[in-house]
Amino acid sequence: KAGVTQTPRYLIKTRGQQVTLSCSPISGHRSVSWYQQTPGQGLQFLFEYFSETQRNKGNFPGRFSGRQFSNSRSEMNVSTLELGDSALYLCASSLVFRRRNEQYFGPGTRLTVT
Amino acid sequence: SQQGEEDPQALSIQEGENATMNCSYKTSINNLQWYRQNSGRGLVHLILIRSNEREKHSGRLRVTLDTSKKSSSLLITASRAADTASYFCATDAGSGAGSYQLTFGKGTKLSVIP
Repeated sequence: KAGVTQTPRYLIKTRGQQVTLSCSPISGHRSVSWYQQTPGQGLQFLFEYFSETQRNKGNFPGRFSGRQFSNSRSEMNVSTLELGDSALYLCASSLVFRRRNEQYFGPGTRLTVT
Repeated sequence: SQQGEEDPQALSIQEGENATMNCSYKTSINNLQWYRQNSGRGLVHLILIRSNEREKHSGRLRVTLDTSKKSSSLLITASRAADTASYFCATDAGSGAGSYQLTFGKGTKLSVIP
């Protein structure tokens, strides 16, 4: 079974621009979560999608948004980029069943804002 | 906000020795998961322990969970240079098929010296 894939792997953008990151979950996984990792704040939850609906959102400004498609693939968008948005963005998928299960992470997209 | 706190922040041992990392958390949980991250890459899932379990083994890994003390430990036996990585504990406080959101600690940086 293929793992979680994220594209692109690396991205360099300028302040004020916007960016879209993509995530394809493991086949059969319908929950997709996004996390931001920075040296200062560590790993922080951005949002989670299930069946094309955002079920939960972390404490991030409205510039951060996302969506999920009918095939469970997800995208996240950051508008009006700031230097502080430079981070590793990780996507994770999980099999939603009666018992709560582990989340499987992709390799991440490293975003650098200059 | 960070729920888990790993201890120690950094650990350096010789190959063949055992490594023990601890994690404390604040709220009731459904399960606790341990992840490994090599040098800014994606997170690799190691082991999940549910709130009604006290101990779990997987290969050279042993995880314990004490819900009364809100703490967990990860033991890696007979360490190898390839175990050099950052290790994170993550708590899942959700229930049933509700939203998936992991809360991570800041991690323990393990260095295994050949």
